[in-house]
Amino acid sequence: AQSVTQLDSQVPVFEEAPVELRCNYSSSVSVYLFWYVQYPNQGLQLLLKYLSGSTLVESINGFEAEFNKSQTSFHLRKPSVHISDTAEYFCAVSLVYGSSNTGKLIFGQGTTLQVKP
Amino acid sequence: DGGITQSPKYLFRKEGQNVTLSCEQNLNHDAMYWYRQDPGQGLRLIYYSQIVNDFQKGDIAEGYSVSREKKESFPLTVTSAQKNPTAFYLCASSTSEVNEQFFGPGTRLTVL
Repeated sequence: AQSVTQLDSQVPVFEEAPVELRCNYSSSVSVYLFWYVQYPNQGLQLLLKYLSGSTLVESINGFEAEFNKSQTSFHLRKPSVHISDTAEYFCAVSLVYGSSNTGKLIFGQGTTLQVKP
Repeated sequence: DGGITQSPKYLFRKEGQNVTLSCEQNLNHDAMYWYRQDPGQGLRLIYYSQIVNDFQKGDIAEGYSVSREKKESFPLTVTSAQKNPTAFYLCASSTSEVNEQFFGPGTRLTVL
């Protein structure tokens, strides 16, 4: 069965320190990969995505994620975090069959990033 | 501006009452989704619809119902059969080509 595992439920880190949020997935077919961010009592916002091409993808606010097919991972990194990055982060995969997808996302359990001053 | 709206943001109901959550999108997306979010459990799919007048059950459909009479609208009814309805409900939509989903702001339902 397909699944997404976010290995850390909470990640505390000091401001300006680097951070990595880990995501592993299990799938027998090709996937699209996504990271979403959720601020308290709000909906999810797309942070970045991997569909094809370069395995390293970047967001406009300094986050990056690398697709590693052999390790089935899509870890999220930022070299220097800010207080405003405090939020919950969700990794998600979409299964791809042939030239179409299934129409569903499979989400991980989420990782709470807490940036301390 | 294009986007997804959910109303109301907060909703309180007495146990045993049905309640309908609204979701509207003006992104011209074909597919729409309803998720339930509980602390520490991530997002769980309730129902989804890839085209008007058609929808499929997700992982936790029991106690919920939906309709898709218009492309823009996908209301969710939480029925009295749902054992534990208090949760944060999120609606999303996507194009059919690439399943990048866009989310609404959510409705927090509290059943008293």
